[in-house]
Amino acid sequence: RKEVEQDPGPFNVPEGATVAFNCTYSNSASQSFFWYRQDCRKEPKLLMSVYSSGNEDGRFTAQLNRASQYISLLIRDSKLSDSATYLCAVNIGGSARQLTFGSGTQLTVLP
Amino acid sequence: EPEVTQTPSHQVTQMGQEVILRCVPISNHLYFYWYRQILGQKVEFLVSFYNNEISEKSEIFDDQFSVERPDGSNFTLKIRSTKLEDSAMYFCASKLAGDTQYFGPGTRLTVL
Repeated sequence: RKEVEQDPGPFNVPEGATVAFNCTYSNSASQSFFWYRQDCRKEPKLLMSVYSSGNEDGRFTAQLNRASQYISLLIRDSKLSDSATYLCAVNIGGSARQLTFGSGTQLTVLP
Repeated sequence: EPEVTQTPSHQVTQMGQEVILRCVPISNHLYFYWYRQILGQKVEFLVSFYNNEISEKSEIFDDQFSVERPDGSNFTLKIRSTKLEDSAMYFCASKLAGDTQYFGPGTRLTVL
C-alpha cells in the first residue's frame, strides 16, 4: 500500500462549483498533514496545514480524520485560478520530519 | 517576503558528469531539504540537513549524491556522476521549526 494515496483525477469542474479531494495515508503514526498546490512545472506551494479540528481559509476547508487515516480538501466557489495539481503531504515522523507526498490530484476549473 | 532561491533554473549535462545544484534557504531557517520530482511523478524526499549534518536520507540518496552547506547561506546538492534517470526537477526546501516547509522554485536537471 502506498504511504500517501490520492485520486489522480483529473477533476474538471465548472466555475463556481464545489469540489472535494481526499487523501489517505498508511502510517498511523503520521504527525502532521498539509495540502500543497503545484502549478505546472513549478514548486509546491503550501495551501494549508490540516488540523484535527479542521481548518478553513476563505474558500478552502481542510479536515483530518485520524481514525480513518484520511485528509480532505474542499474548495467552494471554484475559480479559474484554482486550476492546478493539489498535493497531499504527510510528515510520518523521523528526526528530520520530512514530507511524504501523494501523487497529486489534478483540478481544471472550466469557464 | 523571504523565499528560498535556487540556481540554476535549468541545468543540462552529459551522462557521467558532475553537477552541483545550489540553494539559498530562508535566512533564519534551520532545517534544509532536497526533494526531486521526475516528470509526471510525485515529489520524493532525498535528504535533510540540520546542524551541519545529514539528519535523514532516502534510498534514492546513494553514494552518488552529497550535500553541503559551505557557508552561512548556501546549501548545495552534488551529483557525482549523473545518470539519465537523474533527470528531474530538484527542489530545495527549508524551515525554521515546526513542520511548515517552504520550497524553492526548483532546478530542472536534464541528463543527456
